[in-house]
Amino acid sequence: EIVLTQSPGTLSLSPGDSATLSCRAGQLVGSSYIGWYQQKPGQAPRLLIHGASSRAAGIADRFRGSGSGTDFTLNITGLEPEDFAVYYCQYYGESPKTFGQGTKVEIK
Amino acid sequence: QVQLQESGPGLVKPSETLSLTCIVSGGSISTYYWSWIRQSPGKGLEWIGHIYSSGRANYNPSLKSRVTISIDTSKNQFSLKLSSVNAADTAVYYCAREGSSWSSTSWLDSWGQGSLVTVSS
Repeated sequence: EIVLTQSPGTLSLSPGDSATLSCRAGQLVGSSYIGWYQQKPGQAPRLLIHGASSRAAGIADRFRGSGSGTDFTLNITGLEPEDFAVYYCQYYGESPKTFGQGTKVEIK
Repeated sequence: QVQLQESGPGLVKPSETLSLTCIVSGGSISTYYWSWIRQSPGKGLEWIGHIYSSGRANYNPSLKSRVTISIDTSKNQFSLKLSSVNAADTAVYYCAREGSSWSSTSWLDSWGQGSLVTVSS
C-alpha cells in the first residue's frame, strides 16, 4: 500500500498569499497516479489536479500541481476567499487507492 | 454532467450489514469504474473499492472480507454492502466515478454528496 504523508497539517495564510502544500509517498509512484482534491465543510471532495500536474475541467489556473518520484506539491498562487479549505492528495494507481491525511488552509 | 446520489439507512446496528446504493444520472454507467469511499474523523478518506460496468470489482484489502460492491447497469446504479459493522464503520460514505473510461487506475472526477451512516444500537 502506498502511504501518502501531507505537510504541513495546517497552513495559516491571508487572502492574496501563496500556498505550498506537500505530499510525500512512502515509495516511488508514477506521477500519472497522483491527484489533488479540495474539500469544504459539509461537501464532497472536488478534483483539482490529476496526473500530478493536469488541472481538472473548470479549475482556475492559480492551482498548479508538480512533482515526481515520491515528492509532489500543490501550489496555490493568490489565495481567494473560496480557497480556504482542506486539501488531500491521492494515489490512484493499482489497488488500494490511498489518500493523504489532508492539509487545512485556514485564514490567518 | 454526470451526477451521483447515495441512498440508504442512516443508522445501522452493530454486527448488521450496511447497505447503500448510488444512482447515476446524466450519463451512462458503462465504460467507467465506480468507487465507494468513506470518511471518518479518525481515519480520514478511505477507498473501499470499485466496480466496472462488467461487474468486475476490486476491494481494499483492509475491508475485503466484509465488502461486496455490485452494479445494475439496467438501472444505472451500483451498491455497497459492508457486513458485521461496528462503531469504527461510522462514517460519511461517498460514491464516485473514476474519470478515465475503461481504466481501473483513474482519478475521481465526480462525487455524490455523501451519506452519513452511524453504527449504534
